[in-house]
Amino acid sequence: KNEVEQSPQNLTAQEGEFITINCSYSVGISALHWLQQHPGGGIVSLFMLSSGKKKHGRLIATINIQEKHSSLHITASHPRDSAVYICAVYIQGAQKLVFGQGTRLTINP
Amino acid sequence: DAGITQSPRHKVTETGTPVTLRCHQTENHRYMYWYRQDPGHGLRLIHYSYGVKDTDKGEVSDGYSVSRSKTEDFLLTLESATSSQTSVYFCAISQREQSYNEQFFGPGTRLTVL
Repeated sequence: KNEVEQSPQNLTAQEGEFITINCSYSVGISALHWLQQHPGGGIVSLFMLSSGKKKHGRLIATINIQEKHSSLHITASHPRDSAVYICAVYIQGAQKLVFGQGTRLTINP
Repeated sequence: DAGITQSPRHKVTETGTPVTLRCHQTENHRYMYWYRQDPGHGLRLIHYSYGVKDTDKGEVSDGYSVSRSKTEDFLLTLESATSSQTSVYFCAISQREQSYNEQFFGPGTRLTVL
């Protein structure tokens, strides 16, 4: 079993819909990283958080340390949001990230 | 954006040949990482460096070696490439001196071993 699990693995929605991507982990962590990867493209850092909530534009990330769970929300989704979204965690005491498998999001116009 | 470049961006090579991938940063950051990305496995850490000449293994280090003789360059070497090393390789750097560091990724190198 992976230490970091994302759901869903694939998500297709219509433009304008509210999107939620979930990340659960089974180990103690120092922080959690959300990343975005467009098809054929590089990997972009969206958020790093260790508690509470962060917001950037239409993107919101939340984390519940007690429940070992994080969510990434996209409001008013747009086709340009189509990408793979990757959750990664810093395991406590380690200097390394452990990655989830990613969620492939497709937003149709 | 963090200044990270990778070279080459694409490479096709034959089994048994040595290959070196280069990661170059202009940010003077301490930590540098090499990952590979494969379908069904996500990103996996190969090696990382926490300073000049200071490196450590990741979860998939077999068949790979690294070197860091300067802060700005982190080299990944496949001594004798195998088809199982066909992958996309990403370099990353960390900006802050904390126990957890936001990582910034290079554009990737697509390696095909025939």
